Amino acid sequence: GIQVEQSPPDLILQEGANSTLRCNFSDSVNNLQWFHQNPWGQLINLFYIPSGTKQNGRLSATTVATERYSLLYISSSQTTDSGVYFCAVVDPNTGNQFYFGTGTSLTVIP
Amino acid sequence: DAGVIQSPRHEVTEMGQEVTLRCKPISGHDYLFWYRQTMMRGLELLIYFNNNVPIDDSGMPEDRFSAKMPNASFSTLKIQPSEPRDSAVYFCASSLTSPRYGYTFGSGTRLTVV
Repeated sequence: GIQVEQSPPDLILQEGANSTLRCNFSDSVNNLQWFHQNPWGQLINLFYIPSGTKQNGRLSATTVATERYSLLYISSSQTTDSGVYFCAVVDPNTGNQFYFGTGTSLTVIP
Repeated sequence: DAGVIQSPRHEVTEMGQEVTLRCKPISGHDYLFWYRQTMMRGLELLIYFNNNVPIDDSGMPEDRFSAKMPNASFSTLKIQPSEPRDSAVYFCASSLTSPRYGYTFGSGTRLTVV
């Protein structure tokens, strides 16, 4: 399957700071999504973004499919942004299942 | 909509016992996925169904694991016999037609096998 690498693995921010999370993938994909797992373990879908740029409030994401990477931007971070951010991709050759990266663990301190 | 509903939320069982995890997907979703999450291996896909039919079970670790989807509103993941290395959080997720519309995950079942 496709290899998905995320960086950095861990990130600690002061409240109000901005951050960029990166996702690299090893092959062409037709689906890429970002998820947030909150400290209680709930996984929430943030963006469906196989290419281009999307914004939702303080979060935005950009995928450059030809260069096989995606970026998640968090601006003016809040303590509620803490948790683990996962990038997940679908290999068009193997069906509809997602391959998840290992995640970026974000801690926002007040 | 109540979302994807998993039960139980927590399960503690003794090694060798049978464990059954349950999932109710969102009504109208035709894909259902079972994932396992551990610190060592992250999120792993175990099996997924499309219209109640298992499509890919290559992630099921061994014969001790089995999954069924008898109808569009219910799925089970069974481990028999359970072993300590099966301890993990098991997530169920469902989606429309194709995952491009996004997964909705359940809250997970935290399984501890002692």
